[in-house]
Amino acid sequence: NAGVIQTPRHKVTGKGQEATLWCEPISGHSAVFWYRQTIVQGLEFLTYFRNQAPIDDSGMPKERFSAQMPNQSHSTLKIQSTQPQDSAVYLCASSLDTSNSDYTFGSGTRLLVI
Amino acid sequence: GQQVQQSPTSLVLQEGENAELQCNFSTSLNSMQWFYQRPGGSLISVFYNPSGTKQSGRLTSTTVIKERRSSLHISSSQITDSGTYLCAMATNAYKVIFGKGTHLHVLP
Repeated sequence: NAGVIQTPRHKVTGKGQEATLWCEPISGHSAVFWYRQTIVQGLEFLTYFRNQAPIDDSGMPKERFSAQMPNQSHSTLKIQSTQPQDSAVYLCASSLDTSNSDYTFGSGTRLLVI
Repeated sequence: GQQVQQSPTSLVLQEGENAELQCNFSTSLNSMQWFYQRPGGSLISVFYNPSGTKQSGRLTSTTVIKERRSSLHISSSQITDSGTYLCAMATNAYKVIFGKGTHLHVLP
């Protein structure tokens, strides 16, 4: 069990560029979550998939952020036209199912927008 | 809105001292979890503890659902315990809300 795998570990983009972050959940886990962590805001919920279907994206900034889960082995978080305020650590987590919120987190992608 | 309050915000201990970290929730919760994070590191689950008391080595977690609180006790603290401890609550089946964390520094 390699745990939740996130790539890349670090990403630097110029303002206005696109950034795509990848997450591979633990095999067999049906729930996948994306969070964002900053010093000021702490951990913020972004979006959640259950059995690959988007269930709740209430934490996602509407205009430039999107997330997909095309198959059970990976999810992507895409940020278009990145802004400096998007700089954060983006964390992916998975859990076995939605009746058990015992999360396992990945190591995160540290995004820096300059 | 739903809130998770952690105390203390930071804690400095001498090696060997005990630590008591508190977490209080503003609403009823389904479950809660304690995480540990080193600076720049990932979140590592310490306890998934929906209710009652769990112990692992020098760490003990106690959750009292009806009082909307949970605690994490670290006995005989070690320098390697330094880092941030976050508690998180789940109010429904999936959405987890995190506290701001307790920053623990254990000095030699």
